Amino acid sequence: GAVVSQHPSRVICKSGTSVKIECRSLDFQATTMFWYRQFPKQSLMLMATSNEGSKATYEQGVEKDKFLINHASLTLSTLTVTSAHPEDSSFYICSAADRGSSYEQYFGPGTRLTVT
Amino acid sequence: AQTVTQSQPEMSVQEAETVTLSCTYDTSESDYYLFWYKQPPSRQMILVIRQEAYKQQNATENRFSVNFQKAAKSFSLKISDSQLGDAAMYFCAYRSAFAGNQFYFGTGTSLTVIP
Repeated sequence: GAVVSQHPSRVICKSGTSVKIECRSLDFQATTMFWYRQFPKQSLMLMATSNEGSKATYEQGVEKDKFLINHASLTLSTLTVTSAHPEDSSFYICSAADRGSSYEQYFGPGTRLTVT
Repeated sequence: AQTVTQSQPEMSVQEAETVTLSCTYDTSESDYYLFWYKQPPSRQMILVIRQEAYKQQNATENRFSVNFQKAAKSFSLKISDSQLGDAAMYFCAYRSAFAGNQFYFGTGTSLTVIP
């Protein structure tokens, strides 16, 4: 089956630093990837939609200058949290749409970010 | 925008018994997909079952089945012969049938299985 990986699986960073999270489709091409954020005991909330070769589309209330998204290839999208603060601590999950399978979507395993 | 509502924050079921998780949604689209995802403590999203809106027949996957009522915009999940490994958070989700559209998730139902 289709596999989506995320790296790192967990990261701890100091307040004010930046951290990059990678989302890769391992065995299919993904023209579109989605980034979600999940707080403890809450649902997944869409942050942005990432399309290969174009600018990401951010949901209302998501700071695009803080959460930089780059979708440079058909298998890789990155989310960079800039100048991280403790309130950015969360679980970040990506999903990738397989253009070769009627845009079926597959989730990555998630990245737990802790900002100290 | 589409909305998905799960009115049961928590549910519990005795092992080997049957439990039904509720989900309603709101949409003006005619073509869409509905999903139930399981999220265990590892936080990996695991697809349990999916339903295409154009199909009248309810989807089934082994012990998991759905009751899809399109007119009522209802999509409940029935888990039969519950097992300890079924304990998890369950999310109902909606996705448009258009290419590359995002999921809309409900707030989730935490299922406890009692031995």
